[in-house]
Amino acid sequence: QSALTQPASVSGSPGQSITISCTGTSSDVGGYDYVSWYQQHPGNAPKLIIYDVTTRPSGVSNRFSGSKSGNTASLTISGLQIEDEADYYCSSYRRSDTLVFGGGTKLTVL
Amino acid sequence: QVQLQESGPGLVYPSQTLSLTCAVSGDSISSGGYYWSWVRQPAGKGLEWIGRISGSGSTNYNPSLGSRVTMSVDTSKNEFSLRLRSVTAADTAIYFCAKDTRSWYDYRFDPWGQGTLVTVAS
Repeated sequence: QSALTQPASVSGSPGQSITISCTGTSSDVGGYDYVSWYQQHPGNAPKLIIYDVTTRPSGVSNRFSGSKSGNTASLTISGLQIEDEADYYCSSYRRSDTLVFGGGTKLTVL
Repeated sequence: QVQLQESGPGLVYPSQTLSLTCAVSGDSISSGGYYWSWVRQPAGKGLEWIGRISGSGSTNYNPSLGSRVTMSVDTSKNEFSLRLRSVTAADTAIYFCAKDTRSWYDYRFDPWGQGTLVTVAS
């Protein structure tokens, strides 16, 4: 079962904006608006930061935003902060009733 | 505030069965129609969804794990469980449990348990 494709790493400076892509197919990302994003700091459980492509859970900073175009979903973090340094994972419902994750992206805040 | 806590053996022998339990507090596992999921993460690697179970016992498993997975729910104890048969070293990972959604198609995990490391080795 192939994972969704994410860049292995991205980096940015404090205050900048970065975007992490998550590419799938028409059977998952492109076919359904059920993309979620998770933030995971080392040694911690993942934390939900975006669901249903664009929706932020209560308590999540509005510096995090999600979007989708065709088979690619994107997570944008604006006004980068040191504490944003973490691993980020996307996930999507996939046809035939399963869930698939992306391989993860390591964000470094320089 | 919903909290989840995984428990189970940290070491499982190859070819044996991995068994984990997730205790839920702050919410009733049988009310609200929510699903409850298991996700795992090998050390230094990405996340893999294992499967989900509803409070009424309806299940959905990751096809990549085939028939090795069984999940169950114990509403009297407000907990749900995972059994993974015929384990190999490739099943060594941190196993997380998480609250899922009410929807068959919409999966999202919030909150998560802290995770428990299971090592498969002789």
